[in-house]
Amino acid sequence: DAKTTQPTSMDCAEGRAANLPCNHSTISGNEYVYWYRQIHSQGPQYIIHGLKNNETNEMASLIITEDRKSSTLILPHATLRDTAVYYCIFHRGNQFYFGTGTSLTVIP
Amino acid sequence: DTGVSQDPRHKITKRGQNVTFRCDPISEHNRLYWYRQTLGQGPEFLTYFQNEAQLEKSRLLSDRFSAERPKGSFSTLEIQRTEQGDSAMYLCASSLARRAHGTQYFGPGTRLTVL
Repeated sequence: DAKTTQPTSMDCAEGRAANLPCNHSTISGNEYVYWYRQIHSQGPQYIIHGLKNNETNEMASLIITEDRKSSTLILPHATLRDTAVYYCIFHRGNQFYFGTGTSLTVIP
Repeated sequence: DTGVSQDPRHKITKRGQNVTFRCDPISEHNRLYWYRQTLGQGPEFLTYFQNEAQLEKSRLLSDRFSAERPKGSFSTLEIQRTEQGDSAMYLCASSLARRAHGTQYFGPGTRLTVL
């Protein structure tokens, strides 16, 4: 079963790093972990993805554990516009399996 | 803007009516996906096309739902005899199949309300 486990909600102070964890213990060796976010009433927005190595782009960093059973999305300097639901997702076959995600609230 | 577009953005209909939604993917993308999202839940996969071929359908896609991608470009999703339970956000995404993995890029969605 391609399920991920994420905290239901988190708060983060504006300007601080937001660290969003995800467990994906059933991930297979060739399956990528993707992170998306969804701001209210909009379509999901791609953030970052990775397989084994840590990844960084202009939006975020992705830290994947050596056993690949969990990962952490890091928003280095959270802003109010980062308030959203964040999804950690398998890419299994041609489908993405979304859970309910983590609702991140950035507090001024 | 060269992202995924969807039309209409909002649709209100009465139970029993038919509705059709359109999705225009990113122009060079040959894979197109449809998802449904209800309040408080993440998107759920409905179906996907590679070019004009519909390759996979979820069990969520009942007989009242049909999707087409006639020329491998835009796609339509039709719901016949709508029910109140069909009220949801319908999301379209596209990706490029040549890559070993396909990052899906989502459109803004069509919000359907069935009265």
